[in-house]
Parts: sequence; C-alpha cells; structure tokens
Amino acid sequence: EPEVTQTPSHQVTQMGQEVILRCVPISNHLYFYWYRQILGQKVEFLVSFYNNEISEKSEIFDDQFSVERPDGSNFTLKIRSTKLEDSAMYFCASSSTGANVLTFGAGSRLTVL
Amino acid sequence: AQTVTQSQPEMSVQEAETVTLSCTYDTSESNYYLFWYKQPPSRQMILVIRQEAYKQQNATENRFSVNFQKAAKSFSLKISDSQLGDTAMYFCAQGAQKLVFGQGTRLTINP
Repeated sequence: EPEVTQTPSHQVTQMGQEVILRCVPISNHLYFYWYRQILGQKVEFLVSFYNNEISEKSEIFDDQFSVERPDGSNFTLKIRSTKLEDSAMYFCASSSTGANVLTFGAGSRLTVL
Repeated sequence: AQTVTQSQPEMSVQEAETVTLSCTYDTSESNYYLFWYKQPPSRQMILVIRQEAYKQQNATENRFSVNFQKAAKSFSLKISDSQLGDTAMYFCAQGAQKLVFGQGTRLTINP
C-alpha cells in the first residue's frame, strides 16, 4: 500500500538553529499538508500546498516557517530559527484531491533544546 | 470557526466488549467530512473510518462503525469486539483539506 515517508524520524536541535523536515508524499497525490502535535495535545493544521503554492495556512505558520516542493517528489517544511515551543511531532500528509482522505506519514519528532 | 470536542479524555474496557467514543463538532460548511484517526504509541496517525456529511448512511469498517447525527452535529465511533490492539489515542476530525481535530480519547483495552 502506498505510504507517505518522512525523514528524519527524530531530530534534536539547538534553539535558534534551522531545521528542515522532509516528506515524500504518495506519487499521484496533488495536495500536501503539514500538521503539528505538541506532546499531549491535539493535532493542529499548519499549511496546505497545491500546484506549487500555499493554499491555506494557520496562525501558527508564521514567517519562521516555509514549505517547498523542490524536485517534484519531496515536500519540505523549514523552520528558520527554532524555538523551544517548536518541539513537537510534525506530520506530513497528502491526498489525491482537495476533498479526499489524507494519508499521514509516521511523523518527525523535533526536540529543541 | 470549526471546533471538534471529545468529552471523554480516557476510557477503559475489557477485551471483546463494545465501546463507544463520543465526538461533537461545529461547522458552518454544508459539505464536509468526518474522520476517526487512531494514534498508537508509535504516534502514527492511522485512518479508522470516514463519513461524508451528505450521506445519511452510517459508515462501517469491519468492527468499527459510526453513529452520525447531522442535526445534532454528533459523530460517535463504536468499536465492537474490542481487541488489545485497539489500545490507542483516538482523534475525531472534521473538514476536507484542513482538518480540525478533537483533543483525543485515550482508549485502553484490558485483557
């Protein structure tokens, strides 16, 4: 069964460092998403991406965040200058249409020290 | 604003019993989808079941079924013949592209 692949599974970084989380969505999917889950809390929407541009973003997705699809297969989330409160599980997801089931990756755990 | 509320932070049942997890939501959209996701200790998000709001028939997926009450904006999940592997956090979610999640219910199946 096709799956969404995320790397790294766990990253530890120092506050103020840049982090790039990578995702390989399912190959025929056109819509891509990032969600975040702070430990013990609910999953929160960050951003959706379609046709090489952001289609929607939440208040959480401020100027320190950016997304990119650099090569037609990878979908990346960059956090420019990490803060302690960025520590969370970051989930990538993809769907074939804008109103279809999202397939989530296994998540990337980010720990900011 | 869209909201999803799960009023049961934790539930615990014996193996083989039936358990129902509650979820209520609020939305101004006319067309939307409702989902239940399972999150085991590995923290991966696994789709359990999906309901399209325009369909009156309740979705069923093997041991998992929903009771969708559109007027009441209620979307509960019933797990029949519960198994040890069902132990996980369960999240209710509403939306299409942008999903809004509830706070989750931690379900423990005891042997």
